[in-house]
This record gives sequence, structure tokens and C-alpha cells, in this order.
Amino acid sequence: QQQVKQSPQSLIVQKGGISIINCAYENTAFDYFPWYQQFPGKGPALLIAIRPDVSEKKEGRFTISFNKSAKQFSLHIMDSQPGDSATYFCAAPLYNQGGKLIFGQGTELSVKP
Amino acid sequence: NAGVTQTPKFRILKIGQSMTLQCTQDMNHNYMYWYRQDPGMGLKLIYYSVGAGITDKGEVPNGYNVSRSTTEDFPLRLELAAPSQTSVYFCASSQAGIYSNQPQHFGDGTRLSIL
Repeated sequence: QQQVKQSPQSLIVQKGGISIINCAYENTAFDYFPWYQQFPGKGPALLIAIRPDVSEKKEGRFTISFNKSAKQFSLHIMDSQPGDSATYFCAAPLYNQGGKLIFGQGTELSVKP
Repeated sequence: NAGVTQTPKFRILKIGQSMTLQCTQDMNHNYMYWYRQDPGMGLKLIYYSVGAGITDKGEVPNGYNVSRSTTEDFPLRLELAAPSQTSVYFCASSQAGIYSNQPQHFGDGTRLSIL
């Protein structure tokens, strides 16, 4: 069964620090790797995504790093802010299967002021 | 645009009762999904639909049923509710098709407790 494994389960970072969340996948058919952000009481929302033909994508303070040979990708949040406190999910779609996503287990990030 | 709207937001059921979770989207997306979210488990796909009249099972379909009579609506039915179905349920939609890089748009969830 295809899986995406995410770590850590929870993360506490001081304001201004760097938050790093890691994911590993088990099937090379995955061709697109999104990260979703979820605030308490809300549904997940797409934060940033990367295709495997590039090794890094940056949007503001958020960066995805992708290591195809290791089948790993990670989310880096630079200059973390209390407003970044949320649950983060990595995911990967199954190719040509109606956009079905396999989600990681989630990481609850808390940024302390 | 309202996006994806789920009702109700909260519900408490007794064991053995049934109910329908409603989901509607106004983005004209063909693809719709139902997930359940349990602590530390991520989101698990229950059912999905690629268009009106077409549905298929996801990872955890047992105990649930769906229908898709219109593009906008994708209700999820629980028959004979069990405590194991206590969860937060999310509906999502997307323009996904051959190209997988279309984001899924989520509703704000239905929090369901079965006692």
C-alpha cells in the first residue's frame, strides 16, 4: 500500500526560528507533492507544492526541498511566527486516479512568542 | 464564492442512528471527496466522485454510502452509526483529472460524536 510518512508529529519553535517538517514516500508514481496547512476548526488549505523535476521551491518564508533519490521532501518555515501555528500535512497524489491524495499523519506546529 | 460548504458543523448521534452529512460546492468542480480526520492519523479518504453519477470507494468506505446526483452536491450517509465513526469529516473538491496538480478545496468540516 502506498504511504507517505511524516515527522515529527508535533513541533515547538520559538518565534523567529526555523520549522522543519519531513516526509518520505514509498512509490515513485507520485508526481506532485503538496503541503496543506490547517488551522483549528478549519479545513486544510493548500500552502505550497512542488513537482519532482525541481529540487526546491520557495514562496515567501516557506520552502519545499525535494530529494528524489531518497524519496523524501521537507517543508521549511523561515522566521517562524505565532500565526504559523497550525497543523501541516504533506501529501502525494496517485497519478490519473481522480486526484486522490495520500496524506501524511500531520505535524502540529506551535510557534512560541 | 462560498467554496465548499458542509452542514451540520457539529452533531451527536446515538449508536445505531443514521444521518447524512451534506456537502455542496459552487466552483463547478467535477471531482469531490470525503475524508475523515482522526488525531495523529492524517486524512483518510472515504469515498470520492469524478462526476455526477460516478462514485468510488476510498481507503475506509465501510459503514458509509455516498451519492452524486448533481455536480454541486456530494452527501455522505452513515447507516447504523458506531463509536468508531466518531471523527471530523471533511468534504473537498477539485478540478483534478489527468493532471494531478490541482489543489483540493476543503470545507470546514463536520464534527461527529457517536455515543
